[in-house]
Amino acid sequence: DSGVTQTPKHLITATGQRVTLRCSPRSGDLSVYWYQQSLDQGLQFLIQYYNGEERAKGNILERFSAQQFPDLHSELNLSSLELGDSALYFCASSVDPSGIQNEQFFGPGTRLTVL
Amino acid sequence: DQQVKQNSPSLSVQEGRISILNCDYTNSMFDYFLWYKKYPAEGPTFLISISSIKDKNEDGRFTVFLNKSAKHLSLHIVPSQPGDSAVYFCAARGSGGSNYKLTFGKGTLLTVNP
Repeated sequence: DSGVTQTPKHLITATGQRVTLRCSPRSGDLSVYWYQQSLDQGLQFLIQYYNGEERAKGNILERFSAQQFPDLHSELNLSSLELGDSALYFCASSVDPSGIQNEQFFGPGTRLTVL
Repeated sequence: DQQVKQNSPSLSVQEGRISILNCDYTNSMFDYFLWYKKYPAEGPTFLISISSIKDKNEDGRFTVFLNKSAKHLSLHIVPSQPGDSAVYFCAARGSGGSNYKLTFGKGTLLTVNP
């Protein structure tokens, strides 16, 4: 158990809908990262937040947005869903991105299926 | 453009033997490398890491080697155990500024046969 929690574990929805994925980082971790893993793909970095502020952006679609709240939990919002958005979405956390040794600890993921 | 490549999608070894997983990268700005292990239906689990200022890091049965000139790193598992069977991801972290995202390879499925 990494200490990172994600809800829900599974999500099935239809095209055009909007969903929210939730992540609670490990206690004490200030940074939250979101990754997408599609079929036959490695993990693709989407976005990072540090202590409530956006820190870095990756290959995140404009239909997707995220935020980190004062209690440090984060939500990833996916809207106007398409079939190709079906994937595993992982959240990871770390203490401080400026540290030299700064491993990211991953949650169990949310499996999104868009029908 | 894939900056981190794991060219072997799968590897099968006998219990007790050495497993060697390889990873190549193209971006010379990467300064920190990590290996993660992933079981089905679970998130990736951090295994071992190495800074670009080192060429070797060892932790129990796991050793990571880094060859900066070749932009190549490898993970050695000795001796391999059936419980090591999982997908192994190589990841690299960029240096400078606020860009601490990890760039992952596509993974290598390791199967350790009893």
